[in-house]
Amino acid sequence: DAGVIQSPRHEVTEMGQEVTLRCKPISGHNSLFWYRQTMMRGLELLIYFNNNVPIDDSGMPEDRFSAKMPNASFSTLKIQPSEPRDSAVYFCATGGQGAITNTEAFFGQGTRLTVV
Amino acid sequence: GDSVTQMEGPVTLSEEAFLTINCTYTATGYPSLFWYVQYPGEGLQLLLKATKADDKGSNKGFEATYRKETTSFHLEKGSVQVSDSAVYFCALSDELTGGGNKLTFGTGTQLKVEL
Repeated sequence: DAGVIQSPRHEVTEMGQEVTLRCKPISGHNSLFWYRQTMMRGLELLIYFNNNVPIDDSGMPEDRFSAKMPNASFSTLKIQPSEPRDSAVYFCATGGQGAITNTEAFFGQGTRLTVV
Repeated sequence: GDSVTQMEGPVTLSEEAFLTINCTYTATGYPSLFWYVQYPGEGLQLLLKATKADDKGSNKGFEATYRKETTSFHLEKGSVQVSDSAVYFCALSDELTGGGNKLTFGTGTQLKVEL
């Protein structure tokens, strides 16, 4: 398996533009998490899905942020409109369900977003 | 709710020194516990894990023991190397009533190992 695949790896955009980050989870994984990492705030959980259903989006900072998981093999995180303070590394992580020994998360390599 | 507290960094050590990074947790259920490592410019990778009380996770010379009585999962290594320089995250995974597992991470501890 290729692991969790995120795209793009780097994104530079102008303030006010729409940004869409993409994630392809590991096949068979039921849980999907979106995290944001900055120097100031560390690793923040934005939203997580279980079986394609959003379970908790309380970490989503504002209405400008939205996430979808239309099927088990794809998720997006969208920011519209983007602002400079959204600049961060965004990670997608996925995990299995059920067996206790299978609760670890597998992270993608992240998308480094810079909003200028 | 669940939470993870770990010691603040950065931690700076000389090569071959002994490492301890403290981690304590609060959880309502019976979580699995993890240490993740993040090398510069990369995503987080699982370093080790323990799924029940008194289990010891170990990998690459690192180890941590799941202590339910003290709700702790301290990371240790007997002799660190320069290549161990990274950010280390303690985390717990707890099953949700509605299904799935929620991961809760600590704030991370940066380790710098010098020659």
